[in-house]
Order: sequence, then structure tokens, then C-alpha cells
Amino acid sequence: EVQLQQSGPEVGRPGSSVKISCKASGYTFTDYVMNWVKQSPGQGLEWIGWIDPEYGSTDYAEKFKKKATLTADTSSNTAYIQLSSLTSEDTATYFCAREDYGGYDYWGQGVMVTVSS
Amino acid sequence: DVVLTQTPPTLSATIGQSVSISCRSSQSLLHSNGNTYLNWLLQRPGQPPQLLIYLVSRLESGVPNRFSGSGSGTDFTLKISGVEAEDLGVYYCVQSTHAPDTFGAGTKLELK
Repeated sequence: EVQLQQSGPEVGRPGSSVKISCKASGYTFTDYVMNWVKQSPGQGLEWIGWIDPEYGSTDYAEKFKKKATLTADTSSNTAYIQLSSLTSEDTATYFCAREDYGGYDYWGQGVMVTVSS
Repeated sequence: DVVLTQTPPTLSATIGQSVSISCRSSQSLLHSNGNTYLNWLLQRPGQPPQLLIYLVSRLESGVPNRFSGSGSGTDFTLKISGVEAEDLGVYYCVQSTHAPDTFGAGTKLELK
């Protein structure tokens, strides 16, 4: 069974960084691109970027290029997103989502990041 | 970036009623490879989104066949033929034809 297990909720101070993990199981980690999606409180979905775990290649939405860094560890089948220089605008739930041909077919449960002093 | 406009923003339905959601794109979603990367997601309250329909009309494994997708170019529709209680939540269309991937604002399906 394919599962994407994300780490627990995070609280970060303004200006600091947080790193969220997404551990994949039930499939070959390097066979699929992993995407990350942001959902601000009560709002819709926003694509952040993707990483190809096999090659480490990445792509980001323009507005997240200086905000997010995507990495992947093939030894532990885990994808990561690091969010830097946190502001109140970064308070949101962050999802990882596996991309299959044509769509995001499996999603993590989401991680709530709260930015607060 | 491609803008996806979903209508209506809110939909009230009774159990058993058939409903449709529209998703219109600011540009054609037909890829040069011949595929149209327009998908539909459902997000139930407190849950992550789940994939319902991909490539406009293909039903994701395990999704009931009361869900169907149609359309081409810039106009797409999700139809639910006989709403059930478990169908309540927010529906999103999402496109992957043109980078970056973009989502519609969502349509909230609630009970009348």
C-alpha cells in the first residue's frame, strides 16, 4: 500500500526556518516525482514545486524560489521541504503529493506550520 | 500562469441529486503530446485532497463511477450522478499542461 507519512506540526519564529519530511512507502521512491502543495488557512491549494528523487532535479513556482528548498534522501525514501525566513504568510498546511502520469495520485496527511513569536 | 475559473463557488444538493461543476481555463490545456492534463480533486473536511479524475475523463482507481469528467481545450466539467453524503467537501480542478501547475479556487459541495 502506497503511503506518504509526513512529520508533525511545526511552530517557527519569524525569520527562522523549518524543515518538514515526507516518508514514502509501498512503492519505488525513485520512480515518481514528488510535489509539494501549500494550503493557507481556509484557502485553496497552491503548487510549490517538485523534486525528482532519482536525479535530485527540482522545479519551483516563481514565488517560492527564495522561500522553499526541496531535497530527497533515497536511502530513507524521504522527501523534505525547508521553508526559510518565515513570515506570517507562511502559516499554512503543507502537503507532499506523488505525481503519477497525469495527476497527484497519493497525498501525505499534511503538516501545519504556524509562524509565531 | 494559467488561471482556472471554477463555477459555482458553492453548490447545495440533496442526496441523490445530480450536479455539475465547471472549470474554465485561461488557455488551452491541450499539450503538444496530445494529452490534456486536467484533473479533479476532492478534499473532504480535515483531509488531504484525493484524486478523482485525471486526463479530463479517466476515473482514478477506487473512485465510484458516479463521478465523470468531460471537456476539451478550455472548458471542462465534473459531474456527480447521484450525490451521496460522502461526496461533501471542496472540489478542485488542477492543470499540469503548462508550468507551473495551477489549481482552481474550489467548489464547495454541501447538503441542501
